Amino acid sequence: NAGVTQTPKFQVLKTGQSMTLQCAQDMNHEYMSWYRQDPGMGLRLIHYSVGAGITDQGEVPNGYNVSRSTTEDFPLRLLSAAPSQTSVYFCASSYSIGSAAGELFFGEGSRLTVL
Amino acid sequence: KQEVTQIPAALSVPEGENLVLNCSFTDSAIYNLQWFRQDPGKGLTSLLLIQSSQREQTSGRLNASLDKSSGRSTLYIAASQPGDSATYLCAVNGYSTLTFGKGTMLLVSP
Repeated sequence: NAGVTQTPKFQVLKTGQSMTLQCAQDMNHEYMSWYRQDPGMGLRLIHYSVGAGITDQGEVPNGYNVSRSTTEDFPLRLLSAAPSQTSVYFCASSYSIGSAAGELFFGEGSRLTVL
Repeated sequence: KQEVTQIPAALSVPEGENLVLNCSFTDSAIYNLQWFRQDPGKGLTSLLLIQSSQREQTSGRLNASLDKSSGRSTLYIAASQPGDSATYLCAVNGYSTLTFGKGTMLLVSP
């Protein structure tokens, strides 16, 4: 059971380039989310999804795009990378949301540097 | 907007001590609260999940309590070990999002 898998683990981009961070889970979880973690800022929610075809914005969505075509996959797209997007990105999933929410499982993280 | 505060930001103790980490939140309308551990360069690992109707949860040497009305949770670690050294984060669950504290960095020295 792989849990939450993120790729790539490390990436260096130049300003203006685009890329996609991949996230896949094999636990049949309905809820998936993307966070960024920055020193002194903690974890901040970028986008989340409560099921296939349903996505919504979190606290810091600007410059990022998501889609959820399957239950398993939730890719995060950087449209035009900026140095301010240098961060560690985490994908997380759980069985459900709200009162039925269970544990949140995290991937190992993707470390992105934008030059 | 929910805000989560963790005190202290850092803690250094000798091996064997019992210790308490604190988490406070401003909006008591939560479904549950979760404690995580993060090792350097790694993702977050769930330690304990407390539903809003529960008062505490235990797992081995860890005990987490929740006082929803006062907006507080504590994580108690008994007989600390060097392997417990990590950053501990709490997160409160609203309807569709979790709000995280900034964590307590714990160092347990032999």
